[in-house]
This record gives sequence, C-alpha cells and structure tokens, in this order.
Amino acid sequence: KQEVTQIPAALSVPEGENLVLNCSFTDSAIYNLQWFRQDPGKGLTSLLLIQSSQREQTSGRLNASLDKSSGRSTLYIAASQPGDSATYLCAVRSDQAGTALIFGKGTTLSVSS
Amino acid sequence: EAGVTQSPTHLIKTRGQQATLRCSPISGHTSVYWYQQALGLGLQFLLWYDEGEERNRGNFPPRFSGRQFPNYSSELNVNALELEDSALYLCASSFGPSRPNTEAFFGQGTRLTVV
Repeated sequence: KQEVTQIPAALSVPEGENLVLNCSFTDSAIYNLQWFRQDPGKGLTSLLLIQSSQREQTSGRLNASLDKSSGRSTLYIAASQPGDSATYLCAVRSDQAGTALIFGKGTTLSVSS
Repeated sequence: EAGVTQSPTHLIKTRGQQATLRCSPISGHTSVYWYQQALGLGLQFLLWYDEGEERNRGNFPPRFSGRQFPNYSSELNVNALELEDSALYLCASSFGPSRPNTEAFFGQGTRLTVV
C-alpha cells in the first residue's frame, strides 16, 4: 500500500531564508509526483509536477527534486517571503487507488517578516 | 479557460439528512476525483469517476456515492449524514487513465458542516 510521509509537519522561518520540505513514499512504482500549496480553508494550487523519469523541476523560487529509487522528493523554496506561508502537500500518482493521487499530511510553513 | 469549479461553497445540514455536492472539471478532462479533508486527517481519497463510470473508491462506507454525467461533471452524495462527515470536500480533474502522467487540478472545495 502506497504511503506518503512529509517531514517536518510544521516549520517557522524568518523572511529571506532558504528552506527544504521533505516527502517520502513507500512504493517507487509511480507515474509522477505533484507538490501543492493550500491556504487555510481553500483548495489546492498545483506548484510543480515531476514525471517519474525526471530528476527535478523548477518554477520561479521553487525547485523540486525526485529520487524515485529511494522514494524521496524535496521542495526547495529560495528566499522565503511571508506570502509563502501555507500548507505544502506532496502527492504521488500510481496504479494504487487507480491513479488517484495519494497525499501526505503536509508541512505547514510560517514565514515571519 | 475555467478551472475546476465546485458548488456550493458552503453547505450546512442536519444529522441524518442528505448532502449533494457538485463538480465541473476542466474542459477536456474525463476523470474526476473526490477527496475528503477532515480536520487533522489530511486528504482522504473518496471516489474516482471516468467516462461516466466509477473506477475506484477509497475506504468509505456506501452512504458516500456519486455519479458522473455525460458532460463529465460529477455529483457526490452523502446520505444519512453524521457529525463526523463535517469536512472540506475537494474535487480534482485530469485526463483519463490512458494519460496517467498528466497533472491533476483541484477546485476550491465545498465546506460541509453537519449539525
């Protein structure tokens, strides 16, 4: 059974810091991995999609890496800003759950000014 | 282009009643996924519909059901509501299972409160 774990559960940093969020999954037979952002009480915004054949993807200040063989992904946020404060969710897509995304519980990030 | 849209935004029901939640996918997407996000429990997979049929369901009782219409929009029905059903219900859409490598997009959710 595919399980997704995110560490840490919560993170507080001052503005300007670079930070890394971690995601691990138990079954390496995935199609892809997505990172999402969720503001309180809102829906999910897709940040980055990494295919199983890719090693990393970049979008602005965000960089996500994928090591499928070890079942790990990291989301790197450069020069953090207060507007980055949100919950970040990692999800994998595989044949388990019929290609539905399987989510970790998220990392709640707080960036103080 | 419109994203995934869900209605209503908020819904308040009494225990024992039925709730109906609606989702319209992105144009061209045939798959619709439903998730429950209860406080402190993370996103739990509920149901997957594609081309009008239920393809898979998560570990939820049968009173959670739904359907997908010919235009690929979907309804989630929750019967015999319990207090524990209070949660944010999220809908996502993507291309069908022949294209599993594609991105999934989410709506803004329906907040269901059972009193």
